[in-house]
Amino acid sequence: DAGVTQSPTHLIKTRGQQVTLRCSPKSGHDTVSWYQQALGQGPQFIFQYYEEEERQRGNFPDRFSGHQFPNYSSELNVNALLLGDSALYLCASSLKGGKETQYFGPGTRLLVL
Amino acid sequence: DQQVKQNSPSLSVQEGRISILNCDYTNSMFDYFLWYKKYPAEGPTFLISISSIKDKNEDGRFTVFLNKSAKHLSLHIVPSQPGDSAVYFCAASGSGYGNKLVFGAGTILRVKS
Repeated sequence: DAGVTQSPTHLIKTRGQQVTLRCSPKSGHDTVSWYQQALGQGPQFIFQYYEEEERQRGNFPDRFSGHQFPNYSSELNVNALLLGDSALYLCASSLKGGKETQYFGPGTRLLVL
Repeated sequence: DQQVKQNSPSLSVQEGRISILNCDYTNSMFDYFLWYKKYPAEGPTFLISISSIKDKNEDGRFTVFLNKSAKHLSLHIVPSQPGDSAVYFCAASGSGYGNKLVFGAGTILRVKS
């Protein structure tokens, strides 16, 4: 039973560029949430997707956008990258529109130069 | 505004003894609480959870206690093992285990053999 997978594992971009991160949920899960974890801090909620729609959003600017596909996989897009966007981006999946426990992937480490 | 606080950045415990990790929260709307463990270069791994209708939940060596009046929860690990050495995150949600989680900054646990 495959867990949550994310790609790529590492990424280096320069300021102003755009990036797309990908997530495949745990088998059978239908809900995907994205978190940003800066160094020395806990993960911060970006948004959650269920039934291909954004259901909840944290305190992140519109530069952060996402998508969920019919197979429940998801993408996180960040436009106009800033140095402060350097972080570990975590994807978590769960069941039933978020009523059940979230399970996390290994994350994508993004470095913005 | 930190709604979930883990005031101890680190904790060192001898193998076989009890580890107690603490977490405080300020938002009285939180009613689901979880603990995750994180090793370097991996995503957070779910450990144990508790809802606000309970004051204790046990799973093997792990027990979580919730004191709603004090807005405090704790994770007890007995007995502690060297493999428990990791960063432990407390998380809270106001609308289900699978919805927006608010995390603390984490506590680094070192179990010495």
